[in-house]
Amino acid sequence: AIRMTQSPSSFSASTGDRVTITCRASQGISSYLAWYQQKPGKAPNLLISAASTLQSGVPSRFSGSGSGTDFSLTINYLQSEDFATYYCQQYYGYPWTFGQGTKVEIK
Amino acid sequence: QLQLQESGPGLVKPSETLSLTCTVSGASISSTSYYWGWIRQPPGKGLEWIGSLYSSGSTYYNPSLKSRVTISVDTSKNQISLTLNSVTAADTAVYYCARRYAHTFDIWGQGTMVTVSS
Repeated sequence: AIRMTQSPSSFSASTGDRVTITCRASQGISSYLAWYQQKPGKAPNLLISAASTLQSGVPSRFSGSGSGTDFSLTINYLQSEDFATYYCQQYYGYPWTFGQGTKVEIK
Repeated sequence: QLQLQESGPGLVKPSETLSLTCTVSGASISSTSYYWGWIRQPPGKGLEWIGSLYSSGSTYYNPSLKSRVTISVDTSKNQISLTLNSVTAADTAVYYCARRYAHTFDIWGQGTMVTVSS
């Protein structure tokens, strides 16, 4: 199975900050990568597919980049509603796998 | 508007079978060409893909669970079912059903917590 490793596992940030979360695949996955946001007690919400395609309704302060093995999710001007846990997911090959998650906390 | 709702027992005994249902509303499973999936999340941990099913009935399972899991569709009830045999405490998790679109999961149910305990 393709292993997805996110970094950092957690960090603190302030409203208005620009933050970047990275996701590394154990083998090349082209651009077959998605990013999800999950808030406590809620289901994950799809933010980005194909590494950089923003889903409808997702604020433009979110952006994704990367291909191959290294990917990143950037949030420009962090808002209060962005404090959550973020997961990457590869869909290059079965079994589909997720990163372990990155928790963004309020500083 | 498409909505998914998971249901099933919240408590299952070790070695028994976990059975969950996902009811789809807002669209007919049989008239759409989507995949549907089950994903689980142990308390305080990350997400694990369990398997996916196409509306025609073809299935794909995570090899780590393949020997114990079955995903099926009941088009008459517009439901997708998950069965997991021989459960242990490691199967304690929130179980989500979701619609797979372009290989990602774009619509999710609210999830249902299942605890495996005697």
